Order: sequence, then C-alpha cells, then structure tokens
Amino acid sequence: DAKTTQPTSMDCAEGRAANLPCNHSTISGNEYVYWYRQIHSQGPQYIIHGLKNNETNEMASLIITEDRKSSTLILPHATLRDTAVYYCIVILGNEKLTFGTGTRLTIIP
Amino acid sequence: NAGVMQNPRHLVRRRGQEARLRCSPMKGHSHVYWYRQLPEEGLKFMVYLQKENIIDESGMPKERFSAEFPKEGPSILRIQQVVRGDSAAYFCASSPMSRTGNTGELFFGEGSRLTVL
Repeated sequence: DAKTTQPTSMDCAEGRAANLPCNHSTISGNEYVYWYRQIHSQGPQYIIHGLKNNETNEMASLIITEDRKSSTLILPHATLRDTAVYYCIVILGNEKLTFGTGTRLTIIP
Repeated sequence: NAGVMQNPRHLVRRRGQEARLRCSPMKGHSHVYWYRQLPEEGLKFMVYLQKENIIDESGMPKERFSAEFPKEGPSILRIQQVVRGDSAAYFCASSPMSRTGNTGELFFGEGSRLTVL
C-alpha cells in the first residue's frame, strides 16, 4: 500500500507559483512529510520536510493540512530549472526513504 | 564542503565481469545509503550502512551484490558476474549522525551509470 498519492504530471507557467499536492490520508502522528526532486539524470535533491507545522526555506514552502492527511509543496516563482520529478514521502524519523512514482512537473516558458 | 562524490560516473562492463562503485560521503557524515534506478523506473532502496556496519540490506539482491563502508575510505557497492539486468543508475546518499535519529534528509551524489554489454 502506497503511503502517498500524487498526480502523475503537472504543468506550470514560468514565473508562476507551482503547487504540487500530495495525499497521505493514513499518516500517523509521528510520521514526517518529506519532499525531494530529481532533475533529469541527476541525483535526488532534498527540498523540505515537516511534521505538523507549515515550513518554508529558500527553495519552497510546505503547507500541511490541519488533519495532516494532505500537503502541498509550493515553488513560489517557478523557473525552467524547476522541471523535475517531485516526490512526496512519508516516513517515521528513523525510517529509510522510499520513493514512489512522484509528479513530473514541467515548467512552460 | 564537497558534496557526495561517486565514481566512476559511467562504467561499462561485459556480462560476467565485476563492477565496483565507490561513494565518498559528505565530510562529517557517517551514514551511507545506496539506491538503484533502472531505466524509466523509480529509485529503489538497496542498503544502509554506517562505518563498518550494515544496518539494513533489505533491498539488496540475494546474490552477487555486496556493500561495505570501511573505517577508512569510501563505501563500495560491488556487483559480481554482472548481467544485462544490472544496467542502471546507482545513487549513493549520505546523512550526518542525527541526535534525534531523524534520517530523512539525505544528500545524494550524481550517480554511477552502469552499462552491461
């Protein structure tokens, strides 16, 4: 059983905010939400993670719903270099990362 | 601070030969993970190591594959008697020792691409 559900693909116009949704309806209280991305032919890159509160860093913002059953990764001003596969991963703090199929985000010029 | 270094970046082997992939973690990192990505597929966990210890090898194929992370030097993923199905990108990741035990923030290398002829 997959812990997360993400759309297969999304497009976003360059310069606009990219909002990537993730459903994790069976998340437990101690599980974190992690986001990674993989730009073509490169190694995965950590973006952000959170437990309950919304988080922001230099790359993105993570909005977690109050019931924690879903979250949204926001790239505030998407550029062509943000074209990648984005992975939403739910894990306990001491578990290994398990990658699903992710969302293929394409930034349109 | 150099990132995770993997070499070789590209490796070509004939069936039956051995492949050795090396990974130097980021400075100060004592945890190493290996993942495999078959063409057009997702990343699959293989093994998790700390210095001189294999912590979790649940993703390693039962035969021909082995991994080590010695006290000195890089981590090595070794594939003996390679077959065409071993052709893939192999990614190494490292993380620091975490006081909270949180192991979710990994730093990945650029990968080693193995082609078996």
